[in-house]
This record gives sequence, C-alpha cells and structure tokens, in this order.
Amino acid sequence: DTAVSQTPKYLVTQMGNDKSIKCEQNLGHDTMYWYKQDSKKFLKIMFSYNNKELIINETVPNRFSPKSPDKAHLNLHINSLELGDSAVYFCASSQDLVPAGTQYFGPGTRLLVL
Amino acid sequence: AQSVAQPEDQVNVAEGNPLTVKCTYSVSGNPYLFWYVQYPNRGLQFLLKYITGDNLVKGSYGFEAEFNKSQTSFHLKKPSALVSDSALYFCAVSDTSGTYKYIFGTGTRLKVLA
Repeated sequence: DTAVSQTPKYLVTQMGNDKSIKCEQNLGHDTMYWYKQDSKKFLKIMFSYNNKELIINETVPNRFSPKSPDKAHLNLHINSLELGDSAVYFCASSQDLVPAGTQYFGPGTRLLVL
Repeated sequence: AQSVAQPEDQVNVAEGNPLTVKCTYSVSGNPYLFWYVQYPNRGLQFLLKYITGDNLVKGSYGFEAEFNKSQTSFHLKKPSALVSDSALYFCAVSDTSGTYKYIFGTGTRLKVLA
C-alpha cells in the first residue's frame, strides 16, 4: 500500500501550458505539503495545508495554486508553465502541524518544461 | 531565522568503515532535527529525529545521530557502512518558533565503495 502517492510520475510539456499534479495520502494525516527539488537537489517548501486550510505559502509565483479538496488530497495546479518550473515536485504529509512531526514523502513528479 | 548547513557535497567511505555525514543548524527556539535519505528517483525517507532527551538518537538501517547543543550540530553516523547506504542524505531543522516548516540542508551524497 502506497502511503503517499503522486500522479503523474513524469510530465513533459511545452512552455505556456497549464498542468496539474495530484497527491493522495492514505495515512490519515491532517497536514500535507508541496516541495520543489531543483536540478541541484535543493529542496524547498512551497505550500502546506492543515485540515484543508492553507498554512504555509512560501514566495511562490501565483501561477502555482494548491487545492485541497479533503484532508487526504492536495493537488498542485501550475498555469503558464515556464522553463524554470522544470524540477521534481514532492508531496508529503505529517500527522499534524507540530514542528516535531515526521514527514512522509511521495515518490515525486518529474516535470520537464520544453 | 532557521538555517541548516551540510558542509560536504559528497562523502566517500569504504564498505565496512564508519561513516559520518555532518550537519550544523541555527534556530531561534528549541531545535527539532531530522535526517532523511533519498535513493535515486525516489522520495525522501525518514531516518531519525531529535526532539528532546538523550543526545544520541538511533534510527533506521543502523544509523544514529548525536545532538550537540554547544556545537549546534547533529551529525549522522553509522559504525559500518554498506554499499547499499549510498544515497543522498538531507538534514532538516524545525523549531518551536511557530513557523511550522522544515528547512532542509543542501544534501550530502554518500558513496560507499566496495
């Protein structure tokens, strides 16, 4: 059973397109996150949701819009894709919002913008 | 502001030898410290964390880490390295200041040579 799953695993698209990445967790966690890992493997948080409420919104272009339809899902929609958006996007979840919580990561979505 | 540093981009060690992957941190409150491992084309996996208590923390796959408050360090160690330990290792810090997020280090690539 996959604890945190993401679809698709790979996404190749043209500049200017709009795309979505989906994330689901079956751990019963209250908090979910989106991270971006660039080509140098730097990992940076983008967003977090707790019980469907936006908690963390880092300095991310407003072309990126997260949506949490329920506690188990956190999707990421990206408008007007740019070359610099090429990266691996990881979804993660944790039991709750406390800073001591362990995060569980999905396998990643590799986005390539041409 | 929180920060975490992993001073080595890569660590090479012979199989069977002890390994150390270094991490230092800076936080405004009490630190919560984590180590995660990333295998190629996979998401991050939790190894261990320090929240409070004993300075020596034991984790998965025989890894351990020592919290040193005076040196603000949390180095990852293993007494005897395996080739299968070769991966990318991330240190992360969060704290009690209410920011609700991890800050990840830049990662250290561990290469265990047979």
